[in-house]
Amino acid sequence: GAVVSQHPSRVICKSGTSVKIECRSLDFQATTMFWYRQFPKQSLMLMATSNEGSKATYEQGVEKDKFLINHASLTLSTLTVTSAHPEDSSFYICSARSGGEFDSYNEQFFGPGTRLTVL
Amino acid sequence: AQSVTQLDSQVPVFEEAPVELRCNYSSSVSVYLFWYVQYPNQGLQLLLKYLSGSTLVKGINGFEAEFNKSQTSFHLRKPSVHISDTAEYFCAVSKGGSYIPTFGRGTSLIVHP
Repeated sequence: GAVVSQHPSRVICKSGTSVKIECRSLDFQATTMFWYRQFPKQSLMLMATSNEGSKATYEQGVEKDKFLINHASLTLSTLTVTSAHPEDSSFYICSARSGGEFDSYNEQFFGPGTRLTVL
Repeated sequence: AQSVTQLDSQVPVFEEAPVELRCNYSSSVSVYLFWYVQYPNQGLQLLLKYLSGSTLVKGINGFEAEFNKSQTSFHLRKPSVHISDTAEYFCAVSKGGSYIPTFGRGTSLIVHP
């Protein structure tokens, strides 16, 4: 299957700083990318959906000013956690697919995740 | 909105034994159903999916699942597990017309020698 990478795999930062996480589709063009947050022993929670060249659509309860998403190209999306606090510590996972949300089925491919720890 | 319940948080089983991981969903509309596997420090990988057609779906690594509309279930089965099947398994559902899944909490499958 197709490969999605994330960088960094782990990051530790101080409270109040901003952290950027990159998500890349390595061998296909990702029309749509998704960002999830996963708490220990819990399911993946969809944070936002982004289409290349347009603004991300955030799920209810997700602060768009805190979690900035940029999908500037068909192979790269970034999630920036601004003014991070300890409660933002979590496992962040991105995924990518080549079709739009309501296109015929295209598989979603997931990155390996980024563990964020805010001290 | 749709939701997914994975009834077992952890399923221990001996190698070569059969296993069933349970998944129930709730939705007021037609759905698509998925099972994903997550190995340690890796991303989720699609095991199998039900979009339409035959209710018995076969996936990778010898897994299969059966869509039961009357019981709103999509249980995952494998007749004989291997040590390498030890992983976290996620059931997911999306409403018809959209393929963005909503995930269950996951079931940790632990295969003992």
